Amino acid sequence: QQKVQQSPESLIVPEGGMASLNCTSSDRNVDYFWWYRQHSGKSPKMLMSIFSNGEKEEGRFTVHLNKASLHTSLHIRDSQPSDSALYLCAASIMGYKLTFGTGTSLLVDP
Amino acid sequence: EAAVTQSPRNKVTVTGGNVTLSCRQTNSHNYMYWYRQDTGHGLRLIHYSYGAGNLQIGDVPDGYKATRTTQEDFFLLLELASPSQTSLYFCASSDNQGATNERLFFGHGTKLSVL
Repeated sequence: QQKVQQSPESLIVPEGGMASLNCTSSDRNVDYFWWYRQHSGKSPKMLMSIFSNGEKEEGRFTVHLNKASLHTSLHIRDSQPSDSALYLCAASIMGYKLTFGTGTSLLVDP
Repeated sequence: EAAVTQSPRNKVTVTGGNVTLSCRQTNSHNYMYWYRQDTGHGLRLIHYSYGAGNLQIGDVPDGYKATRTTQEDFFLLLELASPSQTSLYFCASSDNQGATNERLFFGHGTKLSVL
């Protein structure tokens, strides 16, 4: 059973600042990564996905993937209070049966 | 947006009790999943299914049964509930048209307390 490790466990950034979240899989067969965001009291919603080496940008959010090290990172620039949430990384082999990490709790301090 | 409905939203039972959690999706998705979420453990997969009558074992299946009666309906059964099963349970669905399109749509969750 693969493990997905996320760091840090929690993060506080000032409004307008940059938040950087990390995620690594223990299984060398993993080939797909997702980032989900879960606001307090709500269900998780997919934020971004990445399958190829390199970088993917959507608005203020950028995801990096290094398949050799099985490491992905999520960067949020110009962080807003509405970005405060639990960020969950998920990984899978062949795209199904996702395994989630324990999450990074982000607080954006206004 | 894809709709996944869970019931009940909250449930309290006693140790040894019998509990059924229900999930319905109206998105014509093939795959449905049951996860539990606990502080310090993240989301853990209990069971999943890729169609009516199909059942696949997840990563933490002990103490749980599941049944997929139709494409829309997926049930999670706890026949002898224990306090360790106190958790927030999420149902999710996906169409799994291809790995790059895989995206889970979650229900609102069921908070279960076993006393």
